[in-house]
Amino acid sequence: ETGVTQTPRHLVMGMTNKKSLKCEQHLGHNAMYWYKQSAKKPLELMFVYSLEERVENNSVPSRFSPECPNSSHLFLHLHTLQPEDSALYLCASSREGGWGNTGELFFGEGSRLTVL
Amino acid sequence: GQQLNQSPQSMFIQEGEDVSMNCTSSSIFNTWLWYKQDPGEGPVLLIALYKAGELTSNGRLTAQFGITRKDSFLNISASIPSDVGIYFCAAQGAQKLVFGQGTRLTINP
Repeated sequence: ETGVTQTPRHLVMGMTNKKSLKCEQHLGHNAMYWYKQSAKKPLELMFVYSLEERVENNSVPSRFSPECPNSSHLFLHLHTLQPEDSALYLCASSREGGWGNTGELFFGEGSRLTVL
Repeated sequence: GQQLNQSPQSMFIQEGEDVSMNCTSSSIFNTWLWYKQDPGEGPVLLIALYKAGELTSNGRLTAQFGITRKDSFLNISASIPSDVGIYFCAAQGAQKLVFGQGTRLTINP
């Protein structure tokens, strides 16, 4: 139990569906992240929110849309995805973001996404 | 851009053997970290290193922050079955955390 909870753990969707991934952290952290993990690739940073403000968007396609309503919750809204978007999506949190980030991230268990 | 070269990519060892893996880069970093990912789980932080030359242990794990600030290694002594998983190095630069590609550890009992 890392204090970061992701739902759903598994998701199968068609290319025309709209779905959302949810992340909640119970650690009182100020920064939250979405990472994509594909086979044989390093973890790819998608989005960073620090104090509910998006501070980084790593050239992610617009079919991925993040939302951070408060410092404890983070969503990733998905629409018209492609099969190559199938991957494990990991949420993480840290005490601080930006210049204050020490690199110590607390990850959730991930949401395994399959796009048909 | 900043990249980490992690090696080896995979290891197949016998239970009880020691393990060594490392990470190198052409860039300088302020912090080096090692994470482990068990099957079906997210990565978990094992060790964080904050000063060049720092050597830190966590049980059977030992990691060092290279003196040049461009590399780090992780050693695991007397491996046990629960050590199986993927080990990632990570390095924190100016606002950016970079991950290596991972070392997949398999242990034969």
